[in-house]
This record gives sequence, structure tokens and C-alpha cells, in this order.
Amino acid sequence: QQPVQSPQAVILREGEDAVINCSSSKALYSVHWYRQKHGEAPVFLMILLKGGEQKGHEKISASFNEKKQQSSLYLTASQLSYSGTYFCGTSNDYKLSFGAGTTVTVRA
Amino acid sequence: GAVVSQHPSWVICKSGTSVKIECRSLDFQATTMFWYRQFPKQSLMLMATSNEGSKATYEQGVEKDKFLINHASLTLSTLTVTSAHPEDSSFYICSAKTGPGPEQYFGPGTRLTVT
Repeated sequence: QQPVQSPQAVILREGEDAVINCSSSKALYSVHWYRQKHGEAPVFLMILLKGGEQKGHEKISASFNEKKQQSSLYLTASQLSYSGTYFCGTSNDYKLSFGAGTTVTVRA
Repeated sequence: GAVVSQHPSWVICKSGTSVKIECRSLDFQATTMFWYRQFPKQSLMLMATSNEGSKATYEQGVEKDKFLINHASLTLSTLTVTSAHPEDSSFYICSAKTGPGPEQYFGPGTRLTVT
């Protein structure tokens, strides 16, 4: 079953912050975050394996609330390069189910 | 490390013909490979899971006789779209994993256009 992502789309000015949420009706073993640019394959951002885990790379970070079966991706001080569609993938076995995606547009 | 390649990057074919797409793990052995399909502005949908040396497991609604998957070695899986039709036009992406961990490594994708 697909996880639910929100919002569907967000428009930011450079330097602004955004949060993308991902929730599942099933228990989760892991949450994966990807960013996809138009016409390209998804690029792996990070994976969260444990409840309560938080991770970050540069100014993109994520948290995983295992009890609430949800994860959030935080874009801090957004850059133009952050534009793209962000997908969360959830796994409770070996298969990934992807959310519908959140399109992020960062404008100068 | 963990690089997955796909070939070709794009292909245009005529309706009724068959197309083969290759997925290779370049620097690791892939115990399991996955094939996804993505229509424009939609999410990735898992089509099938293949393990080396065994038959692929297809997701509900995916025709196994139309989308033939072969995982002949630990570094190569192929997807053949048989008797392709315009509605099969899509972005096909493979991923690979090694071992029991959840990490999957995605290939760059193959864009199929059926005319």
C-alpha cells in the first residue's frame, strides 16, 4: 500500500524552509527518501532504519517516527538545486512502496 | 560504489515489436533486482522482483507474459517488453539490492516510446 505524502507541491524562494511529510497505514521497517529531476531517475537522499532516527546531509534532513508510522523531510535554507519531485519509499519487507511525490519548486 | 547501469537510456520502437532493457550492477553482486515503471507525473510503481536463478515475482496487474524478466546472473537482469503497444510507453527503472538490508540502488532509467 502506497504511503501518503503531503503536500503535493510547494513553491519556495531561495533560502526558505519546507517540510514534506510521509505517512503509512502499515508498520514500517524503513523509510527511504529520493529526489527526482525531470526526465531523470530518482536519486537516493537518505534512508531511516530506526524509529526516532534523524539524519541529514548538508541542509536536507529527515526524521522517522516509528510509532506514528511517519517520516518528515526537512529542506532548510533551500537552494535552486533543491527543485524536483521528492518521493518517500516505505518498506515493511524487502519491497518499496513509493508515495505520489511532492513537487518542490525553488525560485530565485 | 553501488552503481547500477541500464541500457539503453532510451528506445523508440514500433507497435508490435519487442524491446529488451538491461540492468547491470557494476560493482556489487545483486541478489535481488526490481523493475519499476513510471508514467509522466506519477510515482514509481513496482512491476516485479527478480532473484538470480529463479522466476520473477510479478505485482498484481502486471502481465508476466508481456513483461519477461530474466535474472541470469548476479549482475544482470533483463526486462523484455513483448509486442509493445503505445500504452507501454513509459520510464522503466531498475534497482538492485545485495544482502538482507533494505537499501536499493537505482539505475538511471530507460525511456521507452512505442509509436
